[in-house]
Amino acid sequence: GAGVSQSPSNKVTEKGKDVELRCDPISGHTALYWYRQRLGQGLEFLIYFQGNSAPDKSGLPSDRFSAERTGESVSTLTIQRTQQEDSAVYLCASSYEVATQYFGPGTRLLVL
Amino acid sequence: GENVEQHPSTLSVQEGDSAVIKCTYSDSASNYFPWYKQELGKGPQLIIDIRSNVGEKKDQRIAVTLNKTAKHFSLHITETQPEDSAVYFCAASISGYSTLTFGKGTMLLVSP
Repeated sequence: GAGVSQSPSNKVTEKGKDVELRCDPISGHTALYWYRQRLGQGLEFLIYFQGNSAPDKSGLPSDRFSAERTGESVSTLTIQRTQQEDSAVYLCASSYEVATQYFGPGTRLLVL
Repeated sequence: GENVEQHPSTLSVQEGDSAVIKCTYSDSASNYFPWYKQELGKGPQLIIDIRSNVGEKKDQRIAVTLNKTAKHFSLHITETQPEDSAVYFCAASISGYSTLTFGKGTMLLVSP
């Protein structure tokens, strides 16, 4: 079946603008995760959704970052008033319950 | 919470040699240990995983070993090929209960 998809694949924006990144998880997966990966670095956990439970937002770096998920479907990560240090690859993953995570291809964000 | 240490950060081998990447974890309750391969410009892909009820698992040229007493697990790649060049991440979790905690990654370079 189809894997995790993310859009856009690349995004260039100006400092101070807001951006929205989208993730479509694998159908039937109850859990969805967002990570940030700076150039040459590891995976930085941002936020996790599991079913109808309150999301785990413990990894969000500032209040400029927020995410929503509609049911067990699409998720949107929003970064407000972008800064140059927000430039990174944003990866989404999904899993059935809390188990093996399957990653999307990522969105490459460049803030000028 | 869980802490995962991964070594080495970079590894260079000649084609045909073996490569070993090691990870240690801190939470003795962790029972699920996946390995991901991330090629340049792509999202991480699951290549093999192991659960705590077994000590070793093999899939063609890839094997993973687990030592629960010492709390460490390793990825072994035999007969390396240039297409094995990538960044490899280990991770640990309590299956069905906690999310994955990732190591910082190992960049493997296989020279022809």
